[in-house]
Amino acid sequence: AQSVTQLGSHVSVSEGALVLLRCNYSSSVPPYLFWYVQYPNQGLQLLLKYTTGATLVKGINGFEAEFKKSETSFHLTKPSAHMSDAAEYFCAVSGAYGNNRLAFGKGNQVVVIP
Amino acid sequence: DTGVSQDPRHKITKRGQNVTFRCDPISEHNRLYWYRQTLGQGPEFLTYFQNEAQLEKSRLLSDRFSAERPKGSFSTLEIQRTEQGDSAMYLCASSPRDRGTDTQYFGPGTRLTVL
Repeated sequence: AQSVTQLGSHVSVSEGALVLLRCNYSSSVPPYLFWYVQYPNQGLQLLLKYTTGATLVKGINGFEAEFKKSETSFHLTKPSAHMSDAAEYFCAVSGAYGNNRLAFGKGNQVVVIP
Repeated sequence: DTGVSQDPRHKITKRGQNVTFRCDPISEHNRLYWYRQTLGQGPEFLTYFQNEAQLEKSRLLSDRFSAERPKGSFSTLEIQRTEQGDSAMYLCASSPRDRGTDTQYFGPGTRLTVL
């Protein structure tokens, strides 16, 4: 079984400051890891994903995440926050073998302060 | 590629009524997933289809819930005898194949409110 922990439901960041969202996972098989963003009244949109290969993954809108197996982590970062980054962010994991269902964390609501 | 669509976007019903939601996946996507999202939580897996076959159902999917995907195209999720605890956002997602590396593309969701 797979699970994800995201701490701190609400994250406030100043415009232009570093965005850091933490994600720790648990998986009994090699994990596939995903970050999704959800804007109000919209579906989830994929930011980036890690499956195999390079552990530093770059995604859309300037976001990136690094897979660290030793720390069972997949933290999301963006060097400089923009007002348009205000949204809810979800980390998710699925297993390399099986039905590919996604197990999501509880999410982080990001507020960008001008 | 018009994306995953869901209908209706909002549904208000009274306790005890039946409701049905529809999901149209991206054309030629083999896999279709249903998730449920309650306030302050991440989406939770309900069930998924490989073409027309329903391959797994979560324990969250009680006997009052039924899902179908006739002909492997659109899917419907029906809830019978709705309860207030069924109030949630119901999300549908599709992916091209059955590989774990495939991205799941999500629709906008159907928000259900049970009074």
